[in-house]
Amino acid sequence: KAGVTQTPRYLIKTRGQQVTLSCSPISGHRSVSWYQQTPGQGLQFLFEYFSETQRNKGNFPGRFSGRQFSNSRSEMNVSTLELGDSALYLCASSSTGGPPANEQFFGPGTRLTVL
Amino acid sequence: AQTVTQSQPEMSVQEAETVTLSCTYDTSESDYYLFWYKQPPSRQMILVIRQEAYKQQNATENRFSVNFQKAAKSFSLKISDSQLGDAAMYFCAYRSGGGTNAGKSTFGDGTTLTVKP
Repeated sequence: KAGVTQTPRYLIKTRGQQVTLSCSPISGHRSVSWYQQTPGQGLQFLFEYFSETQRNKGNFPGRFSGRQFSNSRSEMNVSTLELGDSALYLCASSSTGGPPANEQFFGPGTRLTVL
Repeated sequence: AQTVTQSQPEMSVQEAETVTLSCTYDTSESDYYLFWYKQPPSRQMILVIRQEAYKQQNATENRFSVNFQKAAKSFSLKISDSQLGDAAMYFCAYRSGGGTNAGKSTFGDGTTLTVKP
């Protein structure tokens, strides 16, 4: 099986712009979670989607949003980019929505740089 | 809110030796899961080992084992016979098991492990 794929791998944007990142989970996986990784804040949970529904979200402003399509692919969008949004954005998929012990398989990440 | 603390930003070990990485967590939940992930320089996050909180037996995966002390809320990772390929950043993670937080994950700040030949 192909692993989790994320596109694009690298992205450079300027402040005020918006960006959309894409994540394709492993075939058959229905749960997709997004994380932000920065040197200062570490790994932080953004949100989790299962069967096109957001089941949980972290403590991020409303500028961060996401969605999941019927084929389980997910996108996250960040509007009005700020310098602090520069980070590695990781996507992870798992086979079912639960139990949470199910292993999460991570993608390679999208490196977003905001200038 | 759940918190995860890794008190060792950096650790080093001699090849073939044993090293233990520390992790403590705080939660009021009774249903949860704990994980150790490895992130090498490639940034690809890889699951090392997981522990269900309701299981008393410590999880083991080949050279990797955990010491799960539920009452103390401690979850340390022991790497035996360390290999050069074990060099990476290691993250301890907590994942809620039920209720409104089900599936929500909290990560520690990570421990950078260096393996010396």
